[in-house]
Amino acid sequence: DAKTTQPNSMESNEEEPVHLPCNHSTISGTDYIHWYRQLPSQGPEYVIHGLTSNVNNRMASLAIAEDRKSSTLILHRATLRDAAVYYCILRGAGGTSYGKLTFGQGTILTVHP
Amino acid sequence: DGGITQSPKYLFRKEGQNVTLSCEQNLNHDAMYWYRQDPGQGLRLIYYSQIVNDFQKGDIAEGYSVSREKKESFPLTVTSAQKNPTAFYLCASSIGWGPSSYEQYFGPGTRLTVT
Repeated sequence: DAKTTQPNSMESNEEEPVHLPCNHSTISGTDYIHWYRQLPSQGPEYVIHGLTSNVNNRMASLAIAEDRKSSTLILHRATLRDAAVYYCILRGAGGTSYGKLTFGQGTILTVHP
Repeated sequence: DGGITQSPKYLFRKEGQNVTLSCEQNLNHDAMYWYRQDPGQGLRLIYYSQIVNDFQKGDIAEGYSVSREKKESFPLTVTSAQKNPTAFYLCASSIGWGPSSYEQYFGPGTRLTVT
């Protein structure tokens, strides 16, 4: 399975933008890039996903590098409720990894008031 | 309200006992999943089911069993063969299987402690 690399932790101030990076140099052409987040003692929550083009939704934006070997999750204005562990996941489109989500350790985001 | 329910939230068992964790969804989703999470770690896939009456082993299926007799229910049994059963267990579902069914909805989890 293709793997992702994320920083262990990041910090931000409330109301400021946050850019969460993810490296996935072994991504295959059909892997989707997914982001989930998990608040303490809760199940993960879907944030956004993309394949090649940048994506926007009500929660965040996803910027994907042209070579697809890295991506960045952008929270435009961080709030205290955005403090969570953010997971960057590659979802396979073929072989034994088809359809599966493989979670790494993620990035712990701390938001300061 | 549509969603996934897991019960109980906290569960305590003695070593050597089997225990079954409940997972119910009313989202009319075909696919369901069980994950395990240990402290400070990401989630690991135990079992998944693409459709009713079918299920497949995930990455860490040893010591666990599941059934999928109804579309809305996917119970997980932690058997006495599971060497380190204490963990946070999460159930999830999605509309279907495959990358086009991109969003997994997660339940609130069951924290199992075995002593």
